[in-house]
Amino acid sequence: DGGITQSPKYLFRKEGQNVTLSCEQNLNHDAMYWYRQDPGQGLRLIYYSQIVNDFQKGDIAEGYSVSREKKESFPLTVTSAQKNPTAFYLCATAEGGGGYEQYFGPGTRLTVT
Amino acid sequence: AQSVAQPEDQVNVAEGNPLTVKCTYSVSGNPYLFWYVQYPNRGLQFLLKYITGDNLVKGSYGFEAEFNKSQTSFHLKKPSALVSDSALYFCAVTPQRGSNYQLIWGAGTKLIIKP
Repeated sequence: DGGITQSPKYLFRKEGQNVTLSCEQNLNHDAMYWYRQDPGQGLRLIYYSQIVNDFQKGDIAEGYSVSREKKESFPLTVTSAQKNPTAFYLCATAEGGGGYEQYFGPGTRLTVT
Repeated sequence: AQSVAQPEDQVNVAEGNPLTVKCTYSVSGNPYLFWYVQYPNRGLQFLLKYITGDNLVKGSYGFEAEFNKSQTSFHLKKPSALVSDSALYFCAVTPQRGSNYQLIWGAGTKLIIKP
């Protein structure tokens, strides 16, 4: 987990509220990713960014938004349009695409009631 | 469609015995292949990867994986399992062609090592 910070570790929100999850890295990596993990399931890609000021939708982008204004930061906003937001959210970084491995943060567990 | 299969949801192994966690893939062209491990309520940790060259790749914590092109497999192995190896293991793949930033992930295999 070293070099990637996700805060907070646990987050509770009421239905209908937007919430922003933080992801900060000091690895100087160009690529950053947001994944969602549901209990007993694998990873699903929400958004990714190859470079500052650019990002692409992943497989499940609906109801989420991101920004990449700085190389170190890639915040994820879970909007009220996301129908089932309760999940474990993981941020990852990589030096680049292709054969570069991804490094993961410790995750944020979001509970919406 | 490109995909990764981890055919076993759970693998049970006695401590000290060898372990294998299976992964097969379907991608266009040659692949980059990865294994990650996840402990409860934690992020994933990178174990090892195959880029090119020797089909047997060695990684962290005594794990290794063998790339088999004809069988399109990349099984994770360890000669002697430890209780501390109990975790969730993910296989991931991306095609080598192009600069592809997205990984295709398997569903994960829960490894349980019994004392």
